[in-house]
Amino acid sequence: DGGITQSPKYLFRKEGQNVTLSCEQNLNHDAMYWYRQDPGQGLRLIYYSQIVNDFQKGDIAEGYSVSREKKESFPLTVTSAQKNPTAFYLCASSRKGHGSPLHFGNGTRLTVT
Amino acid sequence: QQQVKQSPQSLIVQKGGISIINCAYENTAFDYFPWYQQFPGKGPALLIAIRPDVSEKKEGRFTISFNKSAKQFSLHIMDSQPGDSATYFCAASDGGYQKVTFGTGTKLQVIP
Repeated sequence: DGGITQSPKYLFRKEGQNVTLSCEQNLNHDAMYWYRQDPGQGLRLIYYSQIVNDFQKGDIAEGYSVSREKKESFPLTVTSAQKNPTAFYLCASSRKGHGSPLHFGNGTRLTVT
Repeated sequence: QQQVKQSPQSLIVQKGGISIINCAYENTAFDYFPWYQQFPGKGPALLIAIRPDVSEKKEGRFTISFNKSAKQFSLHIMDSQPGDSATYFCAASDGGYQKVTFGTGTKLQVIP
């Protein structure tokens, strides 16, 4: 079955530590995205990538970093510079082209204490 | 800056009733309007989408109504079922690359 795998489902970290969230897709999609979901705020775009070795900042990129070394993988690092890192993080992918639907993974819930 | 405003935040509907969720946008460059459905603990999934050259699109019990002049669009769920209980997000994107702006979500509960 094709899809997007995010791991782990739950992640706990101490304040001041960097943490990397995994996202792998086997849909052969060119584009990949990271969104953050907070109650009452919808989904906000952190970073997106259209091709390997290239990525762009979204609306809330501060305190986050990404890499795209392989088409299938788009890991997100939440750095200690992110002021409010506790959230539900969603990875998505899509084909190129306007109007191609986003395919989401089942998310990683990160709790930083 | 909220470019897509969604209401209500939550909605309770009796089984068999009609659920209506409304969205409004500001950016006139938006030209693709999808709706996503999210169940607890899962990622959102595309439900239905519309482009502004049509005023209505229907897929089964789900209908999008679009009013370009008012910059508003809405989702109607006919004959709502308990299995429809989920969070619904409207969204919009423009002709540029796939940068989708989401509304804040509506949590729908359909009671038997």
